[in-house]
Amino acid sequence: AQKVTQAQTEISVVEKEDVTLDCVYETRDTTYYLFWYKQPPSGELVFLIRRNSFDEQNEISGRYSWNFQKSTSSFNFTITASQVVDSAVYFCALGGLNFGNEKLTFGTGTRLTIIP
Amino acid sequence: DTGVSQNPRHKITKRGQNVTFRCDPISEHNRLYWYRQTLGQGPEFLTYFQNEAQLEKSRLLSDRFSAERPKGSFSTLEIQRTEQGDSAMYLCASSLTSTRLGEQYFGPGTRLTVT
Repeated sequence: AQKVTQAQTEISVVEKEDVTLDCVYETRDTTYYLFWYKQPPSGELVFLIRRNSFDEQNEISGRYSWNFQKSTSSFNFTITASQVVDSAVYFCALGGLNFGNEKLTFGTGTRLTIIP
Repeated sequence: DTGVSQNPRHKITKRGQNVTFRCDPISEHNRLYWYRQTLGQGPEFLTYFQNEAQLEKSRLLSDRFSAERPKGSFSTLEIQRTEQGDSAMYLCASSLTSTRLGEQYFGPGTRLTVT
């Protein structure tokens, strides 16, 4: 069975600080996708990134960066120079690559509050 | 608006009543997913379609739940004889399998309250 653990339930940081959200996953699949979604107070899940299990390169997109380490089954997300607009619940998710197995398994989320 | 849309956005119903939700995916997307999210939890998978074919159903989807996608475009999710435990946000997502395999875009959700 697939499982995603986000051990940090809530994090609060002061604006402009850097913050890292942790994600650990379990799967028996050899190929899979990992995702991060943002859920702002409005409620709609916003896609941030998808990473496949073949590619362990870190990725940076503006103030966002992701560190994928297959050896530790982790896919952590860092926000640099945080802003108030980053306040939201962030979900890490795991998805299969095989036909018929493309549902997402989500973690319980980390609520991030940026204090102005 | 070219995103995923869901109607209604909110639904309040009495226990025992039937409810139906609608999801319109992004127009070129051939896969459509339903998830359920309760307070403080991540979304949980319910079912998904490729075109009009329902490919997988979660064990969470009891016999009171049924989903359809009759023409491979919009989808409906019906809950019969609602129970208070059905109160949740019901999320729809769509994806395109030929290019962005697995990348799902979500709608705003339908919040169901069963009284």
